[in-house]
Amino acid sequence: AQSVTQLGSHVSVSEGALVLLRCNYSSSVPPYLFWYVQYPNQGLQLLLKYTSAATLVKGINGFEAEFKKSETSFHLTKPSAHMSDAAEYFCAVIDQAGTALIFGKGTTLSVSS
Amino acid sequence: DADVTQTPRNRITKTGKRIMLECSQTKGHDRMYWYRQDPGLGLRLIYYSFDVKDINKGEISDGYSVSRQAQAKFSLSLESAIPNQTALYFCATSQGSYEQYFGPGTRLTVT
Repeated sequence: AQSVTQLGSHVSVSEGALVLLRCNYSSSVPPYLFWYVQYPNQGLQLLLKYTSAATLVKGINGFEAEFKKSETSFHLTKPSAHMSDAAEYFCAVIDQAGTALIFGKGTTLSVSS
Repeated sequence: DADVTQTPRNRITKTGKRIMLECSQTKGHDRMYWYRQDPGLGLRLIYYSFDVKDINKGEISDGYSVSRQAQAKFSLSLESAIPNQTALYFCATSQGSYEQYFGPGTRLTVT
């Protein structure tokens, strides 16, 4: 069965520092993977997606993620954090039947000045 | 206008009351979903629907029911609300097995 593990429920960085949010997945079929962001009091917004094309995926707001099959990982990165990046981030994988998303438990990113 | 709307945005209700959360979409997507979000648990799937005549239970459907009134409308009901149903509820839509688009959420408190 598909599953997602996000390492670290809270990540704190300084403004301008590298952002790295970790996601490992388990899947019995080639996965479709997603990163979503949730700003306070808002719904989830798609940041980027991997659907078996290029392994390095670029998303909105300067974020990108690299699919590494050998490591079963899909970590999210941004070279330079901005205060506006403070939010909760969710990694997700499509379930085996292709019916719904399975979410990780989320990582809260804090950015300090 | 938002593509996926949810009403109400906030609701406080008492134990034992029946409550309905509504979701509408203008994206023309065939699939609609209801999730609940609890702190530290991420989002969990309650029900999903691939079209008006296709309703399926998700991971945590006990205590909930749904109705797909039209392609664009998908309602979630709590027949007899209980305090542990206090959560943030999200509706989402998709076209096929691809990315889902989420509504703004409904914050439900059961006292």
